[in-house]
Amino acid sequence: AQSVAQPEDQVNVAEGNPLTVKCTYSVSGNPYLFWYVQYPNRGLQFLLKYITGDNLVKGSYGFEAEFNKSQTSFHLKKPSALVSDSALYFCAVRVTGGGNKLTFGTGTQLKVEL
Amino acid sequence: DSGVTQTPKHLITATGQRVTLRCSPRSGDLSVYWYQQSLDQGLQFLIHYYNGEERAKGNILERFSAQQFPDLHSELNLSSLELGDSALYFCASSTPGLTEAFFGQGTRLTVV
Repeated sequence: AQSVAQPEDQVNVAEGNPLTVKCTYSVSGNPYLFWYVQYPNRGLQFLLKYITGDNLVKGSYGFEAEFNKSQTSFHLKKPSALVSDSALYFCAVRVTGGGNKLTFGTGTQLKVEL
Repeated sequence: DSGVTQTPKHLITATGQRVTLRCSPRSGDLSVYWYQQSLDQGLQFLIHYYNGEERAKGNILERFSAQQFPDLHSELNLSSLELGDSALYFCASSTPGLTEAFFGQGTRLTVV
């Protein structure tokens, strides 16, 4: 079985500061990892993915994520947070050869304050 | 805009009733997925269709069913509705060769 953990329900950061939203995963097999963002009353928007290759992947809106196989983590990062980044962030995993089902974490509410 | 269209956006219905949620995938996408988002269960995978055929089932209740039509749109049917079925239901689609799925804006179902 595959699972994803997002240990923080909420992350608060000041605008201009770097942000990190944590994600760890558990799979048997090679993972495909994803980050999605959800704004109020909106659907999930795809931010970035890790499939293979470079451990640092870059995505939309200046976000990036670092894949760490030994720590089974895929933390989302941004060098300088904006107030408009405030939203609910979901980490998700899919196992290669395991169908296309995405397993999501519980989500982390990011609040960026002035 | 992801290109995935879900209708209706909001639905209020009474317990015991039946509703149908509709999803039009992005042009060219053959896969359609349904997810349920609720406060207590989070985002749960319900079912996956590929080109009209059911491919995988998740935590989908027997009262729920889905299908994908020849034009690739999909419908999720929820029957004998209970208060606990109140949730946001998302449809997502993906295309062969791409690993990520693109989500619609969801249908918010309220059962009263």
